[in-house]
Amino acid sequence: SQTIHQWPATLVQPVGSPLSLECTVEGTSNPNLYWYRQAAGRGLQLLFYSVGIGQISSEVPQNLSASRPQDRQFILSSKKLLLSDSGFYLCAWSPSGYEAFFGQGTRLTVV
Amino acid sequence: KQEVTQIPAALSVPEGENLVLNCSFTDSAIYNLQWFRQDPGKGLTSLLLIQSSQREQTSGRLNASLDKSSGRSTLYIAASQPGDSATYLCAVSPSNDYKLSFGAGTTVTVRA
Repeated sequence: SQTIHQWPATLVQPVGSPLSLECTVEGTSNPNLYWYRQAAGRGLQLLFYSVGIGQISSEVPQNLSASRPQDRQFILSSKKLLLSDSGFYLCAWSPSGYEAFFGQGTRLTVV
Repeated sequence: KQEVTQIPAALSVPEGENLVLNCSFTDSAIYNLQWFRQDPGKGLTSLLLIQSSQREQTSGRLNASLDKSSGRSTLYIAASQPGDSATYLCAVSPSNDYKLSFGAGTTVTVRA
């Protein structure tokens, strides 16, 4: 069966520090991969979308970037965090664009 | 741009009562609609997926209907239990790239 792993679960980082969040999917190949952010009191917003290795689509302008170095690995990064980057980050995957499955999320607090 | 609205934002019911959660979307050209459950501080758990050609889906005590022409979906939870307390999210995808647009959710509290 397929599983999705996301880490770390919580992270507290100072303003201006770098960020790296990792997500891996097991039990499938060539999945569509997504990064979403859930800000306090707001709905989930799609940040990045990938259909394959090295193929990244950015959905909103921001201080973050994403990379897909391997088929089942998706990384969310920032060179310098802002206070506004705080939120709950969720990785998701979809088998050929049919249904979405989500990881357990990372709570990021920028202080 | 697709806008997804969920009403009510919060709901509190006594145990055993049936729950009715509403979701509306502005663009009827959807590919799929998916209902999720989110527990506090946790990720999303998929509950039901309705393809655009379907009218409803059922899983146990859960039933979701879809009226694509009017831009509405309803999630019914029968005989609610305290364990059903969570936030329920509705999301729609415009195509098979599966870029989801989410509603803000309905937070449900089932009182024992």
